[in-house]
Amino acid sequence: NAGVMQNPRHLVRRRGQEARLRCSPMKGHSHVYWYRQLPEEGLKFMVYLQKENIIDESGMPKERFSAEFPKEGPSILRIQQVVRGDSAAYFCASSGGESPLHFGNGTRLTVT
Amino acid sequence: DQQVKQNSPSLSVQEGRISILNCDYTNSMFDYFLWYKKYPAEGPTFLISISSIKDKNEDGRFTVFLNKSAKHLSLHIVPSQPGDSAVYFCAASDQTSYGKLTFGQGTILTVHP
Repeated sequence: NAGVMQNPRHLVRRRGQEARLRCSPMKGHSHVYWYRQLPEEGLKFMVYLQKENIIDESGMPKERFSAEFPKEGPSILRIQQVVRGDSAAYFCASSGGESPLHFGNGTRLTVT
Repeated sequence: DQQVKQNSPSLSVQEGRISILNCDYTNSMFDYFLWYKKYPAEGPTFLISISSIKDKNEDGRFTVFLNKSAKHLSLHIVPSQPGDSAVYFCAASDQTSYGKLTFGQGTILTVHP
């Protein structure tokens, strides 16, 4: 199954630590999106990347959050100095262009 | 500012009957609409979509209706099956970026045997 792969599935971090979330898109897909779902809410767009380029980061918090999609390897969403409010499910999705997004199973981040 | 709204947090339906899930939007720039289904601890799975040039799209048991003047869309599932029990999300985008979706809050559908 060459679906969107996210790891880890669960991540626990103490306040102030760094969280790194990884996403490998579906084979042949070059467009990667990150979404965040807070408890009791819908998914919210964070960032859109293509290989080595950030296309749209309008949904990213201004501080502590960054994303990359290097030429080789998975896309990484990085959260520095995590706070309790960062606890959420983070979903990665990929597409081949204008096709519907295919989502991974998410990383559930818990900040203690 | 909730641009996509699903006003019913939950819906309960008997197996074999029709399930109707509703969604309203406010942004007139949206021209592409999708429904996703989500099981606990999994990612959303694409179900069906519709572009603004159509008012209906059908795929098996799933039909999506779009009323542009009312800025309203609905998903009909008929006949409903217990395996359809999940959270259903409505999402919308515009032609500048089809992958940048605005999601509703979701509706929990429960189909009773």
